[in-house]
Amino acid sequence: EDQVTQSPEALRLQEGESSSLNCSYTVSGLRGLFWYRQDPGKGPEFLFTLYSAGEEKEKERLKATLTKKESFLHITAPKPEDSATYLCAVQKGSGGYQKVTFGTGTKLQVIP
Amino acid sequence: ETGVTQTPRHLVMGMTNKKSLKCEQHLGHNAMYWYKQSAKKPLELMFVYSLEERVENNSVPSRFSPECPNSSHLFLHLHTLQPEDSALYLCASSQDRPPGRYEQYFGPGTRLTVT
Repeated sequence: EDQVTQSPEALRLQEGESSSLNCSYTVSGLRGLFWYRQDPGKGPEFLFTLYSAGEEKEKERLKATLTKKESFLHITAPKPEDSATYLCAVQKGSGGYQKVTFGTGTKLQVIP
Repeated sequence: ETGVTQTPRHLVMGMTNKKSLKCEQHLGHNAMYWYKQSAKKPLELMFVYSLEERVENNSVPSRFSPECPNSSHLFLHLHTLQPEDSALYLCASSQDRPPGRYEQYFGPGTRLTVT
């Protein structure tokens, strides 16, 4: 069975204090790994797709990396507006539609 | 309108009511999804439509009935719900045929409360 485990569940950082969020996955035939940001009461907002081990993507203070077993979301010098829940999801290769399995997320709080 | 829209944003209904949730995508995608999000749980996939054909039904109770009249619109018809059905219901869309990017784009969700 496909599994996605995110850690930590919650993370509290001071503004400017860099850190990393982890996403460990077990899936056969990985087609892609996604990172989303979700603000309270809103739908997830797409951030990155990673397709193969060794791949990296960057957007402002966020950088996502991928290995064969896990992905990291590095946050450099975070600001209070980066506070949100970050979701990881994996997509396995199959014909037709795209089935995606989500983790439970890491709730990030950045304190001024 | 851009992206994925959902209406209503908030819904309170009694256990004997019938209501419908609406989703519309303006991204030219050919797959649409309904998810349920409850506190402390990962997103639960409910239904998937690909090119207007239902291709996934994850053992969802029959009190939830989806409808996809075309590739841009998706409905979730609700009847005789239970209090445990209270949750955030999210609609998403994506491409599902190569070549293309497969990431799903989500609407803002409908917060449903069953009393």
